[in-house]
Parts: sequence; C-alpha cells; structure tokens
Amino acid sequence: QKEVEQDPGPLSVPEGAIVSLNCTYSNSAFQYFMWYRQYSRKGPELLMYTYSSGNKEDGRFTAQVDKSSKYISLFIRDSQPSDSATYLCAIVTGNQFYFGTGTSLTVIP
Amino acid sequence: EPEVTQTPSHQVTQMGQEVILRCVPISNHLYFYWYRQILGQKVEFLVSFYNNEISEKSEIFDDQFSVERPDGSNFTLKIRSTKLEDSAMYFCASSPDRATDTQYFGPGTRLTVL
Repeated sequence: QKEVEQDPGPLSVPEGAIVSLNCTYSNSAFQYFMWYRQYSRKGPELLMYTYSSGNKEDGRFTAQVDKSSKYISLFIRDSQPSDSATYLCAIVTGNQFYFGTGTSLTVIP
Repeated sequence: EPEVTQTPSHQVTQMGQEVILRCVPISNHLYFYWYRQILGQKVEFLVSFYNNEISEKSEIFDDQFSVERPDGSNFTLKIRSTKLEDSAMYFCASSPDRATDTQYFGPGTRLTVL
C-alpha cells in the first residue's frame, strides 16, 4: 500500500466553483499534513499545513484533516483561473516527506 | 523575497556520465532537501541534510547519489554513472526548521539522460 494516495484527476471546474481535493494515507504515525501548489515547470509552493484533526482556513483555502479516517482535504472557495495548477498533498513523519501524485486542476473562466 | 535557486535549469548528459546539480538554499536556513519528480509522476523525497550530514534518506538515494555542502552557500547533488531512468526534475528545498510550514522549493533542474 502506498503511503499517500491522491486522485490524479484531471479536475475541471467553472470559475467560482468550490473545489475539493483529497488524499488518504496509510501510516497513523504521520505528523504533519501539507498542501502544495505546483504550476507547470515550477517547484511546489506550500499553501497550507496542519498537524491536528479539524479545519484550518486561510483566505479561500481550507485544509481539513481527519486522523481517524486517515483522510485529508483541501477546499478552494470561489475558484479562479489562476488556481489552475497541480495540487499535491504531502504528509510528513520525522524529516521525510511523502507526496501524493498530485491532482491537476483547471478553472475555466 | 529570498528564494532557493538551482543551476542549471536543464542538464543533458550521456548515460554513464556523472552530473552535479547545484542549489543555493535561503541563507539562514538550516535544513536542505533534494526531491525528484519523474515526468508525470509524483514528487519523491531523496534526502535531507542538516549540520553537514545526511539526516534522512529514501530507498531511492542509493550509492549512486551523494550530497555535499562544499561551502557556506551551495548544496549539491551528485549522480554518478547516470542511467536513463534518472531523467527527471530535481528539486532542492530548504527550511529553517524540520517539517514546518516554511520549506521553500527551488525551480528545479531538468535532467535528461540520453
């Protein structure tokens, strides 16, 4: 079983839609949960991180962690064309990062 | 705003050759990382480095790979005897602390092995 599973998409939504991106993980020892955005030909850029179950909000982005289900989500409200990118979840234990495969998102104007 | 830089942006090499990928982390950061992303696949952790030694490495990071901080600013990844399957984007990242919200990635070096 892979450490982190993420639906690769692609996902296409109209501008203004709410987007839900999800990952599952296998190891309950994982400590930190992060979401990265990666534009084409660029390095991943950290969007949000959390280490506890529950929700964390930052502007239009909400990160949600359910440790009992080993499930994390990223919600994007009022999606914009500039949100079009690949979104990677990353889960951390110790000093090692495990990335999901990334979900490709396109927001259509 | 400080940023991680990587050179070259694209490296083409012949199979069997050695390559050195270079990174300049953000100056006050203490932890450094290398990742690999094969085209169309996920970002894979290779190695983390702290206090002039490897702190963690993945199973990918075998004897073919080595890392070094030769001076106060550069952080290098050496790949010996390159194979076709080493073709990928290689990202360097740095952070001031372990597993915090401040791991900054460089733009990557695209390595093509012919």
